[in-house]
Amino acid sequence: AQSVTQLDSQVPVFEEAPVELRCNYSSSVSVYLFWYVQYPNQGLQLLLKYLSGSTLVKGINGFEAEFNKSQTSFHLRKPSVHISDTAEYFCAVSERSGNTPLVFGKGTRLSVIA
Amino acid sequence: EAGVAQSPRYKIIEKRQSVAFWCNPISGHATLYWYQQILGQGPKLLIQFQNNGVVDDSQLPKDRFSAERLKGVDSTLKIQPAKLEDSAVYLCASSPRGVWGEETQYFGPGTRLLVL
Repeated sequence: AQSVTQLDSQVPVFEEAPVELRCNYSSSVSVYLFWYVQYPNQGLQLLLKYLSGSTLVKGINGFEAEFNKSQTSFHLRKPSVHISDTAEYFCAVSERSGNTPLVFGKGTRLSVIA
Repeated sequence: EAGVAQSPRYKIIEKRQSVAFWCNPISGHATLYWYQQILGQGPKLLIQFQNNGVVDDSQLPKDRFSAERLKGVDSTLKIQPAKLEDSAVYLCASSPRGVWGEETQYFGPGTRLLVL
């Protein structure tokens, strides 16, 4: 079964600074990878996803992530954060073979400081 | 297009009581999911419906949890009787087909349950 590890539970960063949120996964088969964002008192919203093709994926709000198969990672990056990026970020994985559920990491709380 | 609707948004009950949550997915979406999100953790899938049939309920505690999607549209999730450890946010999501894991899931705002 697949699993996801988000290495940092909390990441504080100053406004306009770059940020990287780390995600590693474990699976015995090929996977699809996702990043979702959860703003306070709201449901999750898709930021970006990797299905196939280019390993660099661009998403909404200026975020991007790079799939690294050899390191089983899918780190999320943004070159310059805004106050409005303060939220919880979840990495998730599903296996390509068959109908398998989406498995989420525990989340990383990004706090952007003015 | 309207998003996924859930009600109520908040619920406080005492242990051993019962509670029900309602979800209306995005119009036309065949697949509906219920997740449990305990504080400090990521969402965990409880049950997945494809139209009105259950695709995966392997992580649903069936001794106390039940869910239905009778007409293949909206759905209810029930807990009876509730335990303290059921305190969590219950998220509903939908996707157009959901048969393959590549689809984007669209989430509702969730129902925050507190069991005292």
